[in-house]
Amino acid sequence: AQTVTQSQPEMSVQEAETVTLSCTYDTSENNYYLFWYKQPPSRQMILVIRQEAYKQQNATENRFSVNFQKAAKSFSLKISDSQLGDTAMYFCAFMKPILSKLTFGTGTRLQVTL
Amino acid sequence: ETGVTQSPTHLIKTRGQQVTLRCSSQSGHNTVSWYQQALGQGPQFIFQYYREEENGRGNFPPRFSGLQFPNYSSELNVNALELDDSALYLCASSPDRVGYGYTFGSGTRLTVV
Repeated sequence: AQTVTQSQPEMSVQEAETVTLSCTYDTSENNYYLFWYKQPPSRQMILVIRQEAYKQQNATENRFSVNFQKAAKSFSLKISDSQLGDTAMYFCAFMKPILSKLTFGTGTRLQVTL
Repeated sequence: ETGVTQSPTHLIKTRGQQVTLRCSSQSGHNTVSWYQQALGQGPQFIFQYYREEENGRGNFPPRFSGLQFPNYSSELNVNALELDDSALYLCASSPDRVGYGYTFGSGTRLTVV
């Protein structure tokens, strides 16, 4: 069974600064997908960024980028130029393509301050 | 616009009762999955439907059941409610079977007393 670990329950960053959220996972699979989701107080889970395991290039979406280390089974999220609207719970998730089941970590609560 | 609508937003039920939660997906989204998110935890996979058939289930008892309809709506039914069933229930839909492009709803907050 796959497991996803987020070791930072809470983090805080000042507006315009950069913050990195950590995620590690455990799997014996070679082909899989990794995701970062954001859950604001509105409760809706919003996709931030995704990475295919077979792609060596790290995914980037505007201010969000990942550092994917397949051998180390690490998938960290870097948020640049943090904005107040980035305040939310962030979940790292793993998925095997065939089953389409997302396995989530326990989340990191990010607070962006002035 | 989220594309996935869940109803109701909040619900209070008594232990032992039955509940039905509803989800309306975007047109063309043939895959729908349901997740349970307990307070302070990440979502846990309950089950998934593809073209109206269940094709994956997590570690949940049979009293959790579901249906998917041809009009891209779906239901989650929970019988014999227990206090531990109190949680946020999230519906997610995808246009493909892989689930690479899941869109989540805002969830139903169920409280069992």
